[in-house]
Amino acid sequence: DPKIIQKPKYLVAVTGSEKILICEQYLGHNAMYWYRQSAKKPLEFMFSYSYQKLMDNQTASSRFQPQSSKKNHLDLQITALKPDDSATYFCASSPRDSQDTQYFGPGTRLLVL
Amino acid sequence: GDSVTQTEGLVTLTEGLPVMLNCTYQTIYSNPFLFWYVQHLNESPRLLLKSFTDNKRTEHQGFHATLHKSSSSFHLQKSSAQLSDSALYYCALSDGTGGYKVVFGSGTRLLVSP
Repeated sequence: DPKIIQKPKYLVAVTGSEKILICEQYLGHNAMYWYRQSAKKPLEFMFSYSYQKLMDNQTASSRFQPQSSKKNHLDLQITALKPDDSATYFCASSPRDSQDTQYFGPGTRLLVL
Repeated sequence: GDSVTQTEGLVTLTEGLPVMLNCTYQTIYSNPFLFWYVQHLNESPRLLLKSFTDNKRTEHQGFHATLHKSSSSFHLQKSSAQLSDSALYYCALSDGTGGYKVVFGSGTRLLVSP
């Protein structure tokens, strides 16, 4: 059974629209993260959460908003989508903090037209 | 801020030859955690090995690396490349302060040919 679920697997969006990327982890981890991977920037840290609290934010744009309704959920809302947002978005989790191994989900591949 | 440098964007090798992928880092903290993650085509990254102990060799799945704080390096090595080693390799750093940020290098793509 997959331990980290990301939905959807593929997403096509129109410029200017809004989308939510879903992430659920069933590893019992306390920390969750979002990363972005594109051809221009291979793997880029975006956010980290611990016990549903935002711990670190390396995303300059407020168009990206993480949302945590439960300890094992960390969704990513993206508003006013741009073609440059096209990338694969990975959710990850770790038992406690960034010193622990990160376990990555399968990713959501987003294409903005 | 912290940074990780992987100088090679692409490394091409013939099967059976040794592998060495370079990784150097910068941090003001004295006890960083260093990681190597591997990402095969159409898969997500997964941990290959990690270390926080100075001058101690860490091994996993035929790969090894040693954290050298004196030179701020954590190079990945393998004695004999296999076709299945073809993948994207990321070196990553956590500053060791118990925070929640990991800094990844730009990645090195390893292509092993017959």
